[in-house]
Amino acid sequence: DGGITQSPKYLFRKEGQNVTLSCEQNLNHDAMYWYRQDPGQGLRLIYYSQIVNDFQKGDIAEGYSVSREKKESFPLTVTSAQKNPTAFYLCASSIGSSNQPQHFGDGTRLSIL
Amino acid sequence: GENVEQHPSTLSVQEGDSAVIKCTYSDSASNYFPWYKQELGKRPQLIIDIRSNVGEKKDQRIAVTLNKTAKHFSLHITETQPEDSAVYFCAASRGSARQLTFGSGTQLTVLP
Repeated sequence: DGGITQSPKYLFRKEGQNVTLSCEQNLNHDAMYWYRQDPGQGLRLIYYSQIVNDFQKGDIAEGYSVSREKKESFPLTVTSAQKNPTAFYLCASSIGSSNQPQHFGDGTRLSIL
Repeated sequence: GENVEQHPSTLSVQEGDSAVIKCTYSDSASNYFPWYKQELGKRPQLIIDIRSNVGEKKDQRIAVTLNKTAKHFSLHITETQPEDSAVYFCAASRGSARQLTFGSGTQLTVLP
């Protein structure tokens, strides 16, 4: 969907460095999500947000942080505490938080230098 | 919490044949079941979804069936084409704010 933009497409992290992945949507969706995808595995939920200035931990939140200061933006920071950050990160959004289809961005591939 | 198991992990079919992917879920309160298709290096895209008040839903060559008693649902693709080759993910939700729990995915390869 052209309505969700993730950047950058590729990102490299050095040891001890924090990096931030951008996610912007112009779909006027209230809910936004961050997933991590590892090879041969499904999508695992990192954080989600139902409304501006509110967010909740998902299943694998350790080593990650988020903010939701604007409805259209939900950046994800991968901190140095995340010891295995190499993965494909997907951002998604939905109209509401109750059984609505999620629309995904194109993803960011993060690797360690 | 919810647990979704998906089988098989890989599936190869001849062009024109049918493909079936099955998922089971653990939470009997789950009531929404979408299927996503993800081509290599691209975003997952919703291809079909079903809610618990319906037993079957079709969209051209794609259909999904739901058995609430057995807690499983399946994706059926008929007359497969090479462009159907992708990874397919099932998911389940009980309508909570956490939304979806995903299966581990099925790599479908359609052989010409």
